[in-house]
Amino acid sequence: AQKITQTQPGMFVQEKEAVTLDCTYDTSDQSYGLFWYKQPSSGEMIFLIYQGSYDEQNATEGRYSLNFQKARKSANLVISASQLGDSAMYFCAMTPPGSARQLTFGSGTQLTVLP
Amino acid sequence: EPEVTQTPSHQVTQMGQEVILRCVPISNHLYFYWYRQILGQKVEFLVSFYNNEISEKSEIFDDQFSVERPDGSNFTLKIRSTKLEDSAMYFCASSESGAFYTFGSGTRLTVV
Repeated sequence: AQKITQTQPGMFVQEKEAVTLDCTYDTSDQSYGLFWYKQPSSGEMIFLIYQGSYDEQNATEGRYSLNFQKARKSANLVISASQLGDSAMYFCAMTPPGSARQLTFGSGTQLTVLP
Repeated sequence: EPEVTQTPSHQVTQMGQEVILRCVPISNHLYFYWYRQILGQKVEFLVSFYNNEISEKSEIFDDQFSVERPDGSNFTLKIRSTKLEDSAMYFCASSESGAFYTFGSGTRLTVV
């Protein structure tokens, strides 16, 4: 079974600063995928970034980067130059190997960007 | 950009009533999913569907739940006899390859 742990229920960051949202995972699979999703107050789930377990480089997508430390089983999300629109709930999630496999989500981190 | 469309956005139903939540996945996607999120809690997997059959389901997805792809475009989740604890946001998702998902904007179900 897979497990995702997000230990920060809430985080605050000043506009234009960088912030790191923590995510640790537990799995016995050698191959897996790691995801981050953003859920604004309107409720939709927005895909941000993906890291495969065999990817040697950390994933980056614009202002988002994933700090992947495989030996520590961590996949922290770094948001650079925070904007007010980044205020939202952020979920870390993972999938096991194979197609059509379920996503296991963490409990989320509520990020608030302060002006 | 292609979207997964869910209707209605909000549904209120009486306890014990049947409810059908509707989703239109992205047209070339082959894998379909339902997830739910009870208010303030984590997102939980319900069921995945591929090649016109269920490929995986969670322990939440009991006999009260069913899924269908009736006409090749819609993907529905039926709850036969709703309970108060079924109140949640229900997300539909689809995937072309089974790896990357696109989520719909959700249906908020309130059982009273």
